[in-house]
Amino acid sequence: EPEVTQTPSHQVTQMGQEVILRCVPISNHLYFYWYRQILGQKVEFLVSFYNNEISEKSEIFDDQFSVERPDGSNFTLKIRSTKLEDSAMYFCASSEGGANVLTFGAGSRLTVL
Amino acid sequence: GENVEQHPSTLSVQEGDSAVIKCTYSDSASNYFPWYKQELGKRPQLIIDIRSNVGEKKDQRIAVTLNKTAKHFSLHITETQPEDSAVYFCAARSLSGSARQLTFGSGTQLTVLP
Repeated sequence: EPEVTQTPSHQVTQMGQEVILRCVPISNHLYFYWYRQILGQKVEFLVSFYNNEISEKSEIFDDQFSVERPDGSNFTLKIRSTKLEDSAMYFCASSEGGANVLTFGAGSRLTVL
Repeated sequence: GENVEQHPSTLSVQEGDSAVIKCTYSDSASNYFPWYKQELGKRPQLIIDIRSNVGEKKDQRIAVTLNKTAKHFSLHITETQPEDSAVYFCAARSLSGSARQLTFGSGTQLTVLP
């Protein structure tokens, strides 16, 4: 069964450092998403991406965040200057169409010290 | 935007009993309601979903009901087993308009006691 692949599985960084989280969506999917889950809390929407541009973003997705699809397979989330409160599990997801089921990756745990 | 409320936050049942988790949503334009199961440290995995043109859907021991008038939907697990223990999240999504992202409930920690 096709999977969404995320790297790294766990990253520890110092406050103020830049972090890039990587995702390889399922190959025939056209919509890509980032969600985050702070430990013990709900999964929160960050951003959706379609046709090489952001289609929606939440209030969490401020100027410190950016997304990019640098090639035909990767979808990245960059946090420019990490804060302690950015510590969370970040999930990438993809869907075939905008109305289709989302498939989640295994997540990247970010710890900001 | 959409707001999804989920209850209870924790639920313990004896093996073999049924478990029911309830969610309400606020946006009447929402018309897709998935349920995800998340085991400790793992990704959320879709277990069942329902669209607003049906009132109930069943898949073996799992069923979901939807009441569009009251804006609530529920997950029913029958004959629970220890491997059903996990956090369950409901979600709601509009399949039209500009707001297409999934909005999740706060989760229910289900523990099935052997």
